[in-house]
Amino acid sequence: SQQGEEDPQALSIQEGENATMNCSYKTSINNLQWYRQNSGRGLVHLILIRSNEREKHSGRLRVTLDTSKKSSSLLITASRAADTASYFCATDDGGAQKLVFGQGTRLTINP
Amino acid sequence: SAVISQKPSRDICQRGTSLTIQCQVDSQVTMMFWYRQQPGQSLTLIATANQGSEATYESGFVIDKFPISRPNLTFSTLTVSNMSPEDSSIYLCSVVQGNAAQPQHFGDGTRLSIL
Repeated sequence: SQQGEEDPQALSIQEGENATMNCSYKTSINNLQWYRQNSGRGLVHLILIRSNEREKHSGRLRVTLDTSKKSSSLLITASRAADTASYFCATDDGGAQKLVFGQGTRLTINP
Repeated sequence: SAVISQKPSRDICQRGTSLTIQCQVDSQVTMMFWYRQQPGQSLTLIATANQGSEATYESGFVIDKFPISRPNLTFSTLTVSNMSPEDSSIYLCSVVQGNAAQPQHFGDGTRLSIL
């Protein structure tokens, strides 16, 4: 299976600004998931969006999904220093439960 | 969501030795997986741990190098055999409860360094 791509690879913004990360994938999917990883630790699950959904919200997070373009975006509003982390999208590899991960975006929030 | 305990959290090992990583979940789960994250890279699936039978390995990973056990619905182990410096990575287990539409949750990972 091939991994998706995320852009940008790195993003540095000021605290309080919004951060947008994009993810593209190659196969048909049932769902797409976004994760956060702090400094080489375990992954924290953020949001799962199903293929029949176009947008989903969770607190300061907003995820969109465009299956016609095979792409998704993660928006973090009113960013905080604690949001500094790597963010990964992952798809279900054509419907199987195993995940295919994007390369990730390293987000740095400057105080 | 399930609480996933992964042990050890980190280890430094000598070349040629083997290490077994444990993944314990506090409730029964449908699926368990093992992933590898090489330094500065994304995650790659090693195998699906099947309860009571042999694991299903992804291309590039073999049972002799990464033997996996899953004796029940809450526990799995991954062994990294005959280690070399190239095996220095973070190894993570993940679980799914219920059907395919459910989120996949990860343990905190095992950071492995080979000297």
